[in-house]
Amino acid sequence: EVHLVQSGAEVKKPGATAKISCKVSGYIFTDYYIYWVRQAPGQGLEWMGLLDPADGETKYAPKFQGRVAITADTSTDTAFMELSSLRSDDTAIYYCARRIVSTIMDYLDYWGQGSLVTVSS
Amino acid sequence: DIQMTQSPSSLSASVGDRLTITCRASQSISTFLNWYQQKPGKAPKLLIYGASILKSGVPSRFSGSGSGTDFTLTISGLQPEDFATYYCQQTYSTPITFGQGTPLEIK
Repeated sequence: EVHLVQSGAEVKKPGATAKISCKVSGYIFTDYYIYWVRQAPGQGLEWMGLLDPADGETKYAPKFQGRVAITADTSTDTAFMELSSLRSDDTAIYYCARRIVSTIMDYLDYWGQGSLVTVSS
Repeated sequence: DIQMTQSPSSLSASVGDRLTITCRASQSISTFLNWYQQKPGKAPKLLIYGASILKSGVPSRFSGSGSGTDFTLTISGLQPEDFATYYCQQTYSTPITFGQGTPLEIK
């Protein structure tokens, strides 16, 4: 059975860096891309970026370019999302999700449980 | 960026109702359109992908249609467990974008 298990909640001060992990199980980690999506309190879903664990290739949303880094540790089947220079409006739940892609479809079939990052002085 | 606009912005309905949520893309996205359901405090769950393909295990009362710029999610015979927020998502091009969400509440 596929599982994505994320690290716990974090409280950070403005300007700090948050690093969230996403440990997968139940499938071959390097066979599927990982997406990161965030959701501010009471708001909608926002795509942050994606990672190909097979070769480390990444693509980031322009909004986060320069502040986000998504990496993988294939020895532990874990993906990481690091967001730096945190601001109060980065307070959100951060989700990882597994991507299924083909020539005619592209979707997220399994999601982590979410990790709350609170940015507060 | 491709903008995704859902309507209505919120919805109130009763158990047993049939309802439709619409999602419009700012440019053609073929059928690279997915629908997710999210309940409070939970991660989103995939309902429909490729605009009209029901994910295995999702009840058949959910259906999707559309291509190009206009898409619909229909729920036929609302059940109590269907009251949630629904999001469309385009994966035609990056940045991937979501609709703003449609909360479905009990009337």
